[in-house]
Amino acid sequence: DAKTTQPPSMDCAEGRAANLPCNHSTISGNEYVYWYRQIHSQGPQYIIHGLKNNETNEMASLIITEDRKSSTLILPHATLRDTAVYYCIVRVVSGGGADGLTFGKGTHLIIQP
Amino acid sequence: DSGVTQTPKHLITATGQRVTLRCSPRSGDLSVYWYQQSLDQGLQFLIQYYNGEERAKGNILERFSAQQFPDLHSELNLSSLELGDSALYFCASSPRRESRRDEQFFGPGTRLTVL
Repeated sequence: DAKTTQPPSMDCAEGRAANLPCNHSTISGNEYVYWYRQIHSQGPQYIIHGLKNNETNEMASLIITEDRKSSTLILPHATLRDTAVYYCIVRVVSGGGADGLTFGKGTHLIIQP
Repeated sequence: DSGVTQTPKHLITATGQRVTLRCSPRSGDLSVYWYQQSLDQGLQFLIQYYNGEERAKGNILERFSAQQFPDLHSELNLSSLELGDSALYFCASSPRRESRRDEQFFGPGTRLTVL
């Protein structure tokens, strides 16, 4: 069963902020929201994760709504190298590597020059 | 470069054959995961090993098996290959239990083509 819903594709102009939405209305209290991306057939790459507070790192920001039913990944200044498929994943974190990741279809983000 | 290595990069074989894919995790990572990515099924988790023991199973076929060796490298064995097994196979590793991020680091993948 799909735990997350994402738009299949989005465009964004280079230099602008890219805002990628994700719905996870059935998320449990102990599940985190993770974001990974995959650049054209390369191995997926971890971006960021959060539980209920907004998070920011060197790559992106993650905004999670108060009811935790949806979130938005923000790439503040998108570059052409950010063109990729972005996956939103909800999962329990148990340390040392929990079960395998369940990838949906993700959002294909295309950065336009 | 994630620090996870996979060999070979490409593999072409025939139906009915058997192949072995190899993965070396990042230094110090105890968990190894295998994933399959095909055009029709997307990215699917196959199996996880932690410090030599099988820990979780996903959508792994009975024709497929894996193991993790004492030096922590892992091998994925695919037998009685079918055309539908053609896919990208990724290995990932993750840090020790005390890691807060619990992220997985993916290798570059092995592209398997079954003719």
